[in-house]
Amino acid sequence: DGGITQSPKYLFRKEGQNVTLSCEQNLNHDAMYWYRQDPGQGLRLIYYSQIVNDFQKGDIAEGYSVSREKKESFPLTVTSAQKNPTAFYLCASSAKTSGSETQYFGPGTRLLVL
Amino acid sequence: KQEVTQIPAALSVPEGENLVLNCSFTDSAIYNLQWFRQDPGKGLTSLLLIQSSQREQTSGRLNASLDKSSGRSTLYIAASQPGDSATYLCAVRGGANNLFFGTGTRLTVIP
Repeated sequence: DGGITQSPKYLFRKEGQNVTLSCEQNLNHDAMYWYRQDPGQGLRLIYYSQIVNDFQKGDIAEGYSVSREKKESFPLTVTSAQKNPTAFYLCASSAKTSGSETQYFGPGTRLLVL
Repeated sequence: KQEVTQIPAALSVPEGENLVLNCSFTDSAIYNLQWFRQDPGKGLTSLLLIQSSQREQTSGRLNASLDKSSGRSTLYIAASQPGDSATYLCAVRGGANNLFFGTGTRLTVIP
């Protein structure tokens, strides 16, 4: 089956700890994205990557880091600098970034702070 | 900056009714507009994508329209079913990498 997988489904972070959220796609898509969803707010873009070994900050990149070493993988690290990390994190991918393509989303990871 | 608004925030209808969800955006310079469905605790499923040059798109019981000049889109759902209960999100693509989302309309279809 082609699609986007995210793991884990739930993640707990202790204060001062860095945690990494996994996102993998087998759709052969060039572009990948990370969004954060909070109750009562629209999705907000954290980081995106158009191609391997390249990524750009989105609207709320502070306290987060990413890597894109492989086309199919785009992990997101929530660092200790992110003071309010509790949210639902969604990864997405698209075939190209011309503006005409559909973004496909993974099932999400819910991050909770202990 | 692009702002996307969805009204109403929540809607309850009896099964079988036709309904319309609304989406408005402030900047008409868009590439496309996309409607998504989100079930509780789940990711987003794309329903319809309308390019900026198009006026509407249809898929089954769903019809989405786009009036770029007035900054509005509607999602029409015909003959609603309990399985249609979900949150519906509208997103506008303002550039190659910017997708601006509304806060969604939570739809409940009552059997």
